[in-house]
Amino acid sequence: DAGVTQSPTHLIKTRGQHVTLRCSPISGHKSVSWYQQVLGQGPQFIFQYYEKEERGRGNFPDRFSARQFPNYSSELNVNALLLGDSALYLCASNFYTKETQYFGPGTRLLVL
Amino acid sequence: AQKITQTQPGMFVQEKEAVTLDCTYDTSDPSYGLFWYKQPSSGEMIFLIYQGSYDQQNATEGRYSLNFQKARKSANLVISASQLGDSAMYFCAMSFFNTGTASKLTFGTGTRLQVTL
Repeated sequence: DAGVTQSPTHLIKTRGQHVTLRCSPISGHKSVSWYQQVLGQGPQFIFQYYEKEERGRGNFPDRFSARQFPNYSSELNVNALLLGDSALYLCASNFYTKETQYFGPGTRLLVL
Repeated sequence: AQKITQTQPGMFVQEKEAVTLDCTYDTSDPSYGLFWYKQPSSGEMIFLIYQGSYDQQNATEGRYSLNFQKARKSANLVISASQLGDSAMYFCAMSFFNTGTASKLTFGTGTRLQVTL
């Protein structure tokens, strides 16, 4: 079975631009979570969605938003990009929110 | 607030030897889960092993075992018979299961393991 997939793999943007990252969960998984991993640190929780509803939000500004679609795939949107948004963005899925999360390969975002 | 501490920024181990990666946590919640993930240079977080706070026995998955000492709030990962392919960053993480909202993972800062010949 296919694992969690994310697109694109790499992205370069300039300050002030907008970016959309995409994630497809493992087949049958209904929950998707997003994490930001800055170089040299552990991942930080951004959002969790279950059955298209937001179940949790981390300590990130309103420039960050997300949604989950009827097929359980998800998008993470970041507006007005800052240099500090440069990071690896990881998506994880699980069947229900309280089970082991399985991660995708990530999207590496560089903001210039 | 929950916190995960990994005090070893880097570790070296010889091939075929065993290695222990330390993890301590801080929480007053009685119901939680502890996870270990491996992150190769490619970036993907690979799930290795899980221990629930109410589990009586230490978790094992192949060459991975978790030394869970609840009273000391530690959850060390033991890798037996190290292989060159084990060289990677290793993260300890914690989640909570008794809430009706998100079960977010809280990660430590990681330990970089280097396996040598």
